[in-house]
Amino acid sequence: KQEVTQIPAALSVPEGENLVLNCSFTDSAIYNLQWFRQDPGKGLTSLLLIQSSQREQTSGRLNASLDKSSGRSTLYIAASQPGDSATYLCAVRLGQAGTALIFGKGTTLSVSS
Amino acid sequence: GAVVSQHPSWVICKSGTSVKIECRSLDFQATTMFWYRQFPKQSLMLMATSNEGSKATYEQGVEKDKFLINHASLTLSTLTVTSAHPEDSSFYICSASPRGEQPQHFGDGTRLSIL
Repeated sequence: KQEVTQIPAALSVPEGENLVLNCSFTDSAIYNLQWFRQDPGKGLTSLLLIQSSQREQTSGRLNASLDKSSGRSTLYIAASQPGDSATYLCAVRLGQAGTALIFGKGTTLSVSS
Repeated sequence: GAVVSQHPSWVICKSGTSVKIECRSLDFQATTMFWYRQFPKQSLMLMATSNEGSKATYEQGVEKDKFLINHASLTLSTLTVTSAHPEDSSFYICSASPRGEQPQHFGDGTRLSIL
């Protein structure tokens, strides 16, 4: 059974710091991996999607890497801002069309000004 | 981009009430939609896969007679929590994508509170 773990569960940093969020999964046979942002009481915003054949994806200040063989992904946030405060979720998809995502519990980030 | 709309966003009701939650794909057709549930400080857990024109597929431990799913059209799936009790209080969220492609698009979720 696929399990997704995110470390740390919570993180507090001052504005301007670079930071790394970690995600690990037990079964390396994934189709893709996705990072989401969730604001309190809100739905999910997709940040980055990495296909199983890819090593990383970048969007603005965000960079996500994937090491499928070791079952790990990291989300790197450069020059953090208070607006980055949210819960970041990692999710893996095992199959192609019609299969759901398996989520980690998330890392709650707080960036202070 | 693809948009998924979920309604209502917040429900507070008495124990024993049935609650219907709608999930709509606004600008695309979705033969498959997914329903997730999230308890406080827990991860989103898949409840069921909603298939247009056929019965939903429920995950182990999810009571299909309690959580009724109807996917009558290519743009609408509904989740009805029947005879809701306080332990059903949770955050319910749906997702869909055009032709099952990635990434999945999520609704804004429904926070259900049963008194």
